[in-house]
Amino acid sequence: QKEVEQNSGPLSVPEGAIASLNCTYSDRGSQSFFWYRQYSGKSPELIMSIYSNGDKEDGRFTAQLNKASQYVSLLIRDSQPSDSATYLCAVREGNAGNMLTFGGGTRLMVKP
Amino acid sequence: GAGVSQSPSNKVTEKGKDVELRCDPISGHTALYWYRQSLGQGLEFLIYFQGNSAPDKSGLPSDRFSAERTGGSVSTLTIQRTQQEDSAVYLCASSFAVISGNTIYFGEGSWLTVV
Repeated sequence: QKEVEQNSGPLSVPEGAIASLNCTYSDRGSQSFFWYRQYSGKSPELIMSIYSNGDKEDGRFTAQLNKASQYVSLLIRDSQPSDSATYLCAVREGNAGNMLTFGGGTRLMVKP
Repeated sequence: GAGVSQSPSNKVTEKGKDVELRCDPISGHTALYWYRQSLGQGLEFLIYFQGNSAPDKSGLPSDRFSAERTGGSVSTLTIQRTQQEDSAVYLCASSFAVISGNTIYFGEGSWLTVV
């Protein structure tokens, strides 16, 4: 069974700090990796996708992928209270379809 | 429409009753997914439709759960003889065809409470 693991948190960081969120996955055939943000009571929204080893930056967000070690991380620079949410890691295998397998999410709290 | 539309947004039902949840995907999206999220938990895959292909039902938790997609667009998730453990938010999502890079967009969810 394909698994995606995340620390449930909460991860608490002060405003302006870097928040580091980590995710590991079990299926070596995974090809696509996504980070979704979910505010309480709302649906998940895509914030980053990454497909190749290395770093991908988008504004204050950086996704990092290491396929050999089977982990993907999300860094949030200059964290803001509005970043407080649950961050869901999602992984999609390369061949059989378009289904995403989600981790349980990490709850991030950014304190002013 | 502009986004994935789900109805009802909230549903309270008595244990043992049947419920139907509706999803209208983004226009042009051929792939449609149902996920379930219990309070404080991650997303649990239920079922996936891609075009006219047979759906992937591998995530349905029991035979009380079924889903249809008519005309390649609107989908209905049916839960028969509801149980209290069925209480969750049911999220529908859609995307363009099966290509690894396509983004999946979620609806706002249908919050189901079984009392």
